[in-house]
Amino acid sequence: DVKVTQSSRYLVKRTGEKVFLECVQDMDHENMFWYRQDPGLGLRLIYFSYDVKMKEKGDIPEGYSVSREKKERFSLILESASTNQTSMYLCASSFTTYGYTFGSGTRLTVV
Amino acid sequence: QKEVEQNSGPLSVPEGAIASLNCTYSDRGSQSFFWYRQYSGKSPELIMFIYSNGDKEDGRFTAQLNKASQYVSLLIRDSQPSDSATYLCAVSRDSSYKLIFGSGTRLLVRP
Repeated sequence: DVKVTQSSRYLVKRTGEKVFLECVQDMDHENMFWYRQDPGLGLRLIYFSYDVKMKEKGDIPEGYSVSREKKERFSLILESASTNQTSMYLCASSFTTYGYTFGSGTRLTVV
Repeated sequence: QKEVEQNSGPLSVPEGAIASLNCTYSDRGSQSFFWYRQYSGKSPELIMFIYSNGDKEDGRFTAQLNKASQYVSLLIRDSQPSDSATYLCAVSRDSSYKLIFGSGTRLLVRP
């Protein structure tokens, strides 16, 4: 089975901090995605990547950046954390259009 | 209008009944359709995907797609309390691998 591992299950950060969320997949998938999930809003796409060093903006990229230096790792960066970035962050990977495999999620609280 | 719409629920059904979950989408160019199940505090897991008009069955689950009417549904036969979860509909609107998610329908199966 594909495993998508997110480095932290829970994080608490202060406003203004730079925050790194790490995601690693072990099945050589080209495609990786970062979503955030908020009650009533569902999952919203932040950034995605089709290959190493490639990145594309999703629907809500403001305040975020990403890095993909290696195929298996896709990092989400909050340049200066704000309280409205408190959310559940979900990483996913896929090989084809046969759907995603999600990581277990990181619940980030910005205080 | 949201791109992918679902009734938030909760949809409450007795054990053993058929649960019917519905989803509509706005982009007529959508090509791939997915159903995910998400238990409280967990990440989404893929249940089924469907690409062609008609029905697709997998065990107790049946996905139904009607592109002309722009809806996709999920039927769960012989519902069990363990089916109680939020069900997310997701749509891929072109040949890319991006998924657009609905906000989910919460299903409660009463013993």
